[in-house]
Amino acid sequence: AQTVTQSQPEMSVQEAETVTLSCTYDTSESDYYLFWYKQPPSRQMILVIRQEAYKQQNATENRFSVNFQKAAKSFSLKISDSQLGDAAMYFCAYRSRPNSGNTPLVFGKGTRLSVIA
Amino acid sequence: ETGVTQTPRHLVMGMTNKKSLKCEQHLGHNAMYWYKQSAKKPLELMFVYSLEERVENNSVPSRFSPECPNSSHLFLHLHTLQPEDSALYLCASSQAWAGPQGTDTQYFGPGTRLTVL
Repeated sequence: AQTVTQSQPEMSVQEAETVTLSCTYDTSESDYYLFWYKQPPSRQMILVIRQEAYKQQNATENRFSVNFQKAAKSFSLKISDSQLGDAAMYFCAYRSRPNSGNTPLVFGKGTRLSVIA
Repeated sequence: ETGVTQTPRHLVMGMTNKKSLKCEQHLGHNAMYWYKQSAKKPLELMFVYSLEERVENNSVPSRFSPECPNSSHLFLHLHTLQPEDSALYLCASSQAWAGPQGTDTQYFGPGTRLTVL
């Protein structure tokens, strides 16, 4: 079974600085998706960024980018120019690429990010 | 209303009560999910409905009973719950199957905070 590990329960960053959140996963599959979700205090889980394992290019979304190291099974999230609104719990998630039908998301335990003004 | 909505947002119930959680998605998706989020534990997938058929039941106790009357609505019926069932219950939706090059990303509702006394 796949597992996702986030080794940093809590992180903090100064406003306007850059922070990197770590995620590693364990799988025997070669094709899959990886996600970072953000859950602010309002509790709405929001998709931040998505990476297809077959793509070598790292995904980027504005101030958010990933460092996807397939051989190392590592998928870190970099937040540049951190803003107060980035404070939230961040979850890394894995999903197999199915041949058909659905496959479930497997989540890590999350990293709580605080942004210091 | 846009996205995925859940009602109620907060629910307090006794162990002998019967209640239902409701989820509605306005994204044109045809797969829906229930997750349980407890403190200090990863998100746990409970049920998956794809094209209105249950495709996964992740060893969930029978005191939780899902219902998916159509592709836009998902219910979680609760009866004779235990205090350890207190948690945040999240609903998500996605496309059931977007093809081999598709990305069936899940979008989450705000959750229902359930407290069992």
